[in-house]
Amino acid sequence: DAEITQSPRHKITETGRQVTLACHQTWNHNNMFWYRQDLGHGLRLIHYSYGVQDTNKGEVSDGYSVSRSNTEDLPLTLESAASSQTSVYFCASSTGTRGSEQYFGPGTRLTVT
Amino acid sequence: GQQLNQSPQSMFIQEGEDVSMNCTSSSIFNTWLWYKQDPGEGPVLLIALYKAGELTSNGRLTAQFGITRKDSFLNISASIPSDVGIYFCAGPNFNKFYFGSGTKLNVKP
Repeated sequence: DAEITQSPRHKITETGRQVTLACHQTWNHNNMFWYRQDLGHGLRLIHYSYGVQDTNKGEVSDGYSVSRSNTEDLPLTLESAASSQTSVYFCASSTGTRGSEQYFGPGTRLTVT
Repeated sequence: GQQLNQSPQSMFIQEGEDVSMNCTSSSIFNTWLWYKQDPGEGPVLLIALYKAGELTSNGRLTAQFGITRKDSFLNISASIPSDVGIYFCAGPNFNKFYFGSGTKLNVKP
């Protein structure tokens, strides 16, 4: 069955370290998204991609970067982790159709100490 | 920016009761989506609505796309303990995706 996976599921890192969170989907979806979820803020969009080599900033992109070298993967990198980036991160994907529904991965819980 | 206003924020109900929640926006949406999120998991799509006035069911869940295209409703009939979780409305608009703040549902056995 097609699916979307994230790894690791849990990560603890230190302030200042570079961290990369993986997202892999086998839906063959063109669109992929990264969100963070915090109490009191709901889901906030970090970065998104509408296809290979395409990346765009979301509403909370500072301190994060993504690259899209193939259809299946959109890794999220925290260049220099900060305590404010402690959060739960969700990856999602959707087809290229405008207005199409997004499917979410299981999430990565990141703690920055 | 655009916001989806979801209410109520939380509900405490008895098993077997029906539940109703809604989502409103100041802007028109062409698609309304309802997700459920269990603790420690990602949101799972429950129902997708694509036409104003559309009424769609998924088991005990029924969702409606408001006629004005600015609102949507989700009803759960005969609630059971596994209905516990957070329910989100969502809608894409001009290639952006908007989420409601969620309704936290608690069901007492």
